[in-house]
Amino acid sequence: RKEVEQDPGPFNVPEGATVAFNCTYSNSASQSFFWYRQDCRKEPKLLMSVYSSGNEDGRFTAQLNRASQYISLLIRDSKLSDSATYLCVVSRGPNTDKLIFGTGTRLQVFP
Amino acid sequence: GAVVSQHPSRVICKSGTSVKIECRSLDFQATTMFWYRQFPKQSLMLMATSNEGSKATYEQGVEKDKFLINHASLTLSTLTVTSAHPEDSSFYICSAPRSPGNQPQHFGDGTRLSIL
Repeated sequence: RKEVEQDPGPFNVPEGATVAFNCTYSNSASQSFFWYRQDCRKEPKLLMSVYSSGNEDGRFTAQLNRASQYISLLIRDSKLSDSATYLCVVSRGPNTDKLIFGTGTRLQVFP
Repeated sequence: GAVVSQHPSRVICKSGTSVKIECRSLDFQATTMFWYRQFPKQSLMLMATSNEGSKATYEQGVEKDKFLINHASLTLSTLTVTSAHPEDSSFYICSAPRSPGNQPQHFGDGTRLSIL
């Protein structure tokens, strides 16, 4: 079983749509969770950290379910510029800076 | 602006060449840096942890004699791919936390390595 699993997609949605991505992780000791965005042939950029209570940043909402070891990202009112690959990222365990990346979910927003 | 600089961004060279990639933290000291590799349509895979003033720690399956890491100062880590072969062609990227245990990390722009 992969340490971090994501649906690779692609998710093809029209502008203005709401889209949700899911991610599961295998290490119950992981303490830090993130969503990164990666554009084609570029480095990953932090989209948002994910907190146990859930958190929102503009059109983006992240949720964490520790019991189910499940993370989600919701994007509302999709823009063309949201087209990218979204990476679910989890720390390897407690007290570590080592990150484990999912393979990413590809999103394509069309006009 | 960028807080981690990686150089070069693109390398094309012949099989058997050794290639050095630099990763610099620009406005902070990084006692730890991480090196990742990403093959097309795959996730970033952690290769090794670069530790300032001590030996790097390598992930399982990564050959330390093939991928030489040097972290001689608090702002610079280098990855040298020795005697590179076509199967080493990949996207190599470094990252650094601004301080230990401080998430998230800052990533360099990455180096796209192509071995002919």
